[in-house]
Amino acid sequence: NAGVTQTPKFRILKIGQSMTLQCTQDMNHNYMYWYRQDPGMGLKLIYYSVGAGITDKGEVPNGYNVSRSTTEDFPLRLELAAPSQTSVYFCATQREGSSYNEQFFGPGTRLTVL
Amino acid sequence: ELKVEQNPLFLSMQEGKNYTIYCNYSTTSDRLYWYRQDPGKSLESLFVLLSNGAVKQEGRLMASLDTKARLSTLHITAAVHDLSATYFCAVTLQGGSEKLVFGKGTKLTVNP
Repeated sequence: NAGVTQTPKFRILKIGQSMTLQCTQDMNHNYMYWYRQDPGMGLKLIYYSVGAGITDKGEVPNGYNVSRSTTEDFPLRLELAAPSQTSVYFCATQREGSSYNEQFFGPGTRLTVL
Repeated sequence: ELKVEQNPLFLSMQEGKNYTIYCNYSTTSDRLYWYRQDPGKSLESLFVLLSNGAVKQEGRLMASLDTKARLSTLHITAAVHDLSATYFCAVTLQGGSEKLVFGKGTKLTVNP
């Protein structure tokens, strides 16, 4: 099992460009999350999904969009990149119904907007 | 609004010494997690604490939870260099929310 995979690993964007960060999981987990981590900070929740077709905003959703058409995939879209979106982005999954409900994180995408 | 505070934010210690990292949170929570992050890497789950008085240990790390005080501790015993990393605590809101709120992290450096 690959677990949680994210592509690309690194990306440099110019201001105003758009891109999609990909997240795929093979653990059949219903819950999926997108976080961003700014230097020296903890993670902040951007969007999350509790199942295919269901998404909701987290703490910092502005400037981002998501979709969830399948259990496996949860892409994050940046429409008009801004320098404030320079960050490391982590996707995470979680198994519904577990007492512990720990989240499993992907390797991250390091994004720079210039 | 749920706030999670960790202290210290930076910790430099010698091998063989003991120390404790503290995690305070502002509202009642269902669960508390501790994660480890190595530089440039993803987060690795260390502990999940579910109830008041919960204590979990793995090697030189021991985590505990006091829900009345809204406090969790991560105790390091006889530190070794391999424990150098950033440690995050994260908390979920009571009532079944799956959304995690993270502390800023404690960057631990263990010196020979």
